[in-house]
Amino acid sequence: NAGVTQTPKFQVLKTGQSMTLQCAQDMNHNSMYWYRQDPGMGLRLIYYSASEGTTDKGEVPNGYNVSRLNKREFSLRLESAAPSQTSVYFCASSPSGAGTDTQYFGPGTRLTVL
Amino acid sequence: GENVEQHPSTLSVQEGDSAVIKCTYSDSASNYFPWYKQELGKRPQLIIDIRSNVGEKKDQRIAVTLNKTAKHFSLHITETQPEDSAVYFCAAVYNNNDMRFGAGTRLTVKP
Repeated sequence: NAGVTQTPKFQVLKTGQSMTLQCAQDMNHNSMYWYRQDPGMGLRLIYYSASEGTTDKGEVPNGYNVSRLNKREFSLRLESAAPSQTSVYFCASSPSGAGTDTQYFGPGTRLTVL
Repeated sequence: GENVEQHPSTLSVQEGDSAVIKCTYSDSASNYFPWYKQELGKRPQLIIDIRSNVGEKKDQRIAVTLNKTAKHFSLHITETQPEDSAVYFCAAVYNNNDMRFGAGTRLTVKP
């Protein structure tokens, strides 16, 4: 099992450009999450999907959209990137919720917006 | 929403000493408190967790305590080793999905 995978690993964008970060898990987990981590800070929840077909906002959703494509895949889209979105983005999954089961994190995507 | 505060932000100890990291949370509905270790450039890894119906949990050299009344929880690492050097994050989960992290503690264990 690959666990949680993310693509790309690194990305540089110009202000105003759009892009989609991809996340997939092969553990048959119901819940998936997107976090961002800024230097010297803890992770902050952007959006989550408690189960296939549902998505909800987290702590910092502004400027992002998500799609739970199927049970395996959960993508994060930046429609018009801003320098404030420069960060490391982590995807995570959990069998049935972060408060019930362990969360498994992907390796992260390092995004720079110029 | 939930707010988690973590102290200290940096901690330096001699190899073999103990290290203690403390967190407080604001939402009494939070019921799950994990601790993560993150090495430079790596993903966070769960090291121990505790649920709101338990006061203490231990796993070898690592222990976590929870005081629900005071909304405090702490990580204790005994007999520290250089490989324990990393950034440690506490977190609190409410509504089963919303996880809020503390700002992190950079632990350095000096040989």
